[in-house]
Amino acid sequence: DTEVTQTPKHLVMGMTNKKSLKCEQHMGHRAMYWYKQKAKKPPELMFVYSYEKLSINESVPSRFSPECPNSSLLNLHLHALQPEDSALYLCASSQGQRDRYNSPLHFGNGTRLTVT
Amino acid sequence: DQQVKQNSPSLSVQEGRISILNCDYTNSMFDYFLWYKKYPAEGPTFLISISSIKDKNEDGRFTVFLNKSAKHLSLHIVPSQPGDSAVYFCAASVRNAGNMLTFGGGTRLMVKP
Repeated sequence: DTEVTQTPKHLVMGMTNKKSLKCEQHMGHRAMYWYKQKAKKPPELMFVYSYEKLSINESVPSRFSPECPNSSLLNLHLHALQPEDSALYLCASSQGQRDRYNSPLHFGNGTRLTVT
Repeated sequence: DQQVKQNSPSLSVQEGRISILNCDYTNSMFDYFLWYKKYPAEGPTFLISISSIKDKNEDGRFTVFLNKSAKHLSLHIVPSQPGDSAVYFCAASVRNAGNMLTFGGGTRLMVKP
């Protein structure tokens, strides 16, 4: 069992819909991440939150809007997506973003998103 | 330009034998390296890591070797078990640069009984 929980596991949405992906961790980690993974490709970083503040946005289109309500929760709000946005969206957390000794990221099982 | 490369998309090994997965990187600033295992429909699971100040790190059946001069790392699994069958990603980051992982393309390992 992963200690990073993502909901929903699967999501199908139309291009005009608004939906949200949710991520939760209770390991006391202070950094949380959104990654996107297309089929047969490695995960690609989208956003990083450090101590509940957005610290990195990897030039992600504005139709993806992250939110970190508290240190345990991370959301990704979706609006007006395109079919090419269909992918596995992975949430991860780590002890910190700038640890003296880098700590590994712990991933959730992801949300499989299909945009129709 | 891929900064982390796994040149073997797949590897097949007999149960009980050694599995060796390889990874090359180009960014000399990378100083922390990790291996993740991924089963279908699950997120990547952290396996083992190594800092650039070391050349070897061992954890049970898993050993990671780092050759900084060659910008090469490898993961050894011995003995290999059928449950090890999965996609293995190597990843790298720069310490104090945001813990942002750059992943390789992955190697699918198949361990045959």
